[in-house]
Amino acid sequence: EAGVTQSPRYAVLQEGQAVSFWCDPISGHDTLYWYQQPRDQGPQLLVYFRDEAVIDNSQLPSDRFSAVRPKGTNSTLKIQSAKQGDTATYLCASSRQKVFFGKGTRLTVV
Amino acid sequence: AQSVTQPDARVTVSEGASLQLRCKYSYFGTPYLFWYVQYPRQGLQLLLKYYPGDPVVQGVNGFEAEFSKSNSSFHLRKASVHWSDWAVYFCAVSGQGTGSKLSFGKGAKLTVSP
Repeated sequence: EAGVTQSPRYAVLQEGQAVSFWCDPISGHDTLYWYQQPRDQGPQLLVYFRDEAVIDNSQLPSDRFSAVRPKGTNSTLKIQSAKQGDTATYLCASSRQKVFFGKGTRLTVV
Repeated sequence: AQSVTQPDARVTVSEGASLQLRCKYSYFGTPYLFWYVQYPRQGLQLLLKYYPGDPVVQGVNGFEAEFSKSNSSFHLRKASVHWSDWAVYFCAVSGQGTGSKLSFGKGAKLTVSP
């Protein structure tokens, strides 16, 4: 069974630049999560979907972050104007019953 | 709101010694509880999970955890630590429905000394 695939694995941006992260969940998993994990901290939920519907995006900074899952499969997380405080690893996870995590995208904003 | 507290951010244990990592949760109702491990440059991997039933759950590589509703705790234990256990350990809580929100603690970084 293929795992959760994320790309890119690394990104380095200057402040103000935009970036998109892509996630391919495990086939058949209806729930997809995006987490932000700052260095030396636990993952913090940004948004999660069931199929194409957003279930909870209360922790997503909506002025600069957006997330979509248009067909209930792959998902994209976008940061419009990155700030140094966005430096973190962005984790995607999917589940039907058990939750499986991708390896993450490590973002550095300089 | 659900939350997890891991009071020990850094733990050092000698190889062969026993280990306990503490986890306190806050959840209205009966939670599902999890311990995940994160090795350097790797994704989060599930060590073990608690669903309502036997309070002591066994995981991979000799890890076990004990659920206590009275103490709102889910502590992780291992009888004899190996150098390969050097990693960061996260406790997490979710609701019982499929696709529930999964919330993590801040993690405990385990160092194994020779």
